Amino acid sequence: SQTIHQWPATLVQPVGSPLSLECTVEGTSNPNLYWYRQAAGRGLQLLFYSVGIGQISSEVPQNLSASRPQDRQFILSSKKLLLSDSGFYLCAWSSSLTSGGGDEQFFGPGTRLTVL
Amino acid sequence: AQKITQTQPGMFVQEKEAVTLDCTYDTSDPSYGLFWYKQPSSGEMIFLIYQGSYDQQNATEGRYSLNFQKARKSANLVISASQLGDSAMYFCAIARWDKIIFGKGTRLHILP
Repeated sequence: SQTIHQWPATLVQPVGSPLSLECTVEGTSNPNLYWYRQAAGRGLQLLFYSVGIGQISSEVPQNLSASRPQDRQFILSSKKLLLSDSGFYLCAWSSSLTSGGGDEQFFGPGTRLTVL
Repeated sequence: AQKITQTQPGMFVQEKEAVTLDCTYDTSDPSYGLFWYKQPSSGEMIFLIYQGSYDQQNATEGRYSLNFQKARKSANLVISASQLGDSAMYFCAIARWDKIIFGKGTRLHILP
């Protein structure tokens, strides 16, 4: 069966410090991978998605970046965190393109980031 | 571009009553998928139900059903016989190919 891992679970970082959040998927090959951010009490905002190694699409311009060094590894980074980067970060995966209707996404447990 | 609208920021419902959570969408794509997710206070996102744009019948999964009205571009979630454990945020989403767009969510409170 497929599983998705995220770490760390919680993180408290000072403004201006770097960030690295990691997401890995097991039990599937060539998944589509996604990073979302959820501000407190609000909906999900798609940040990045990737359909393959080294292929990253950015949805929202910001001081965050994403990389996919391996097929089942997705990393969210920042060189200098802002206060507004605080939130709940969710990684998700879905099967590769199968039809025009899209496939359900399976979410990781999330990382709660607080920037002070 | 695709868009999802959930007009109910919050709802209070008596336990055991049925609940309808509204969702309307906008897309120019002929083929798409519609999803509902539940997010309890723990933060995890739980997939509930899926409806393909070409599906003739409304999707059902246990107590969850999706009232799909394609001409009106609506995909309301119906929860029958609500339970206290149904209290959570509920997100409607539309997908095409490689990405999903989520609505802002509806917070559902089930009252004992």
